Amino acid sequence: KAGVTQTPRYLIKTRGQQVTLSCSPISGHRSVSWYQQTPGQGLQFLFEYFSETQRNKGNFPGRFSGRQFSNSRSEMNVSTLELGDSALYLCASNLEGNTEAFFGQGTRLTVV
Amino acid sequence: DAKTTQPNSMESNEEEPVHLPCNHSTISGTDYIHWYRQLPSQGPEYVIHGLTSNVNNRMASLAIAEDRKSSTLILHRATLRDAAVYYCILRDWNAGNMLTFGGGTRLMVKP
Repeated sequence: KAGVTQTPRYLIKTRGQQVTLSCSPISGHRSVSWYQQTPGQGLQFLFEYFSETQRNKGNFPGRFSGRQFSNSRSEMNVSTLELGDSALYLCASNLEGNTEAFFGQGTRLTVV
Repeated sequence: DAKTTQPNSMESNEEEPVHLPCNHSTISGTDYIHWYRQLPSQGPEYVIHGLTSNVNNRMASLAIAEDRKSSTLILHRATLRDAAVYYCILRDWNAGNMLTFGGGTRLMVKP
């Protein structure tokens, strides 16, 4: 079966712009989580969506937002980009319950 | 969130067993112990998880201390492909699917 798909794989944006990243979970998975990975801070949880509702939120500013659609696909948006937002953004999907998370390959965002 | 402590790095020879330790002295009764690994240039991948009893799967074994304050991930025969960062994570079964990653252990495998 197809894995978690993230698009685009690479992105270059300018400071002050906004960006939208997309994640398509594994078919049947209704939970989608987003993570930011940087060399300095490691892997940090951004938020989790389940059945179109945000269920958990990490400690990130309001410039980071997300949403989930009825088909479980999710998007995250970062507004007013800063240089420090340069990172690998990873999406993971889960079946409900205490099960394994399946991660996508990530979107590498570079802010210049 | 309950925290985990892992060594920054470990080294192993190919085809030898590897024991990756993790301390989690503040674990609560609703925390599952999860292990993920991240190979270079890839997203993390699930390895194994457990609650109280030792667990085995095709990738590894998980040994959990009786008091649950520590655990050990065991790779029975390390291969070059097992070189990765291994993360030990406590996941509260009441808190959705959120994973709180620590620094992990970078495993280097020598041929």
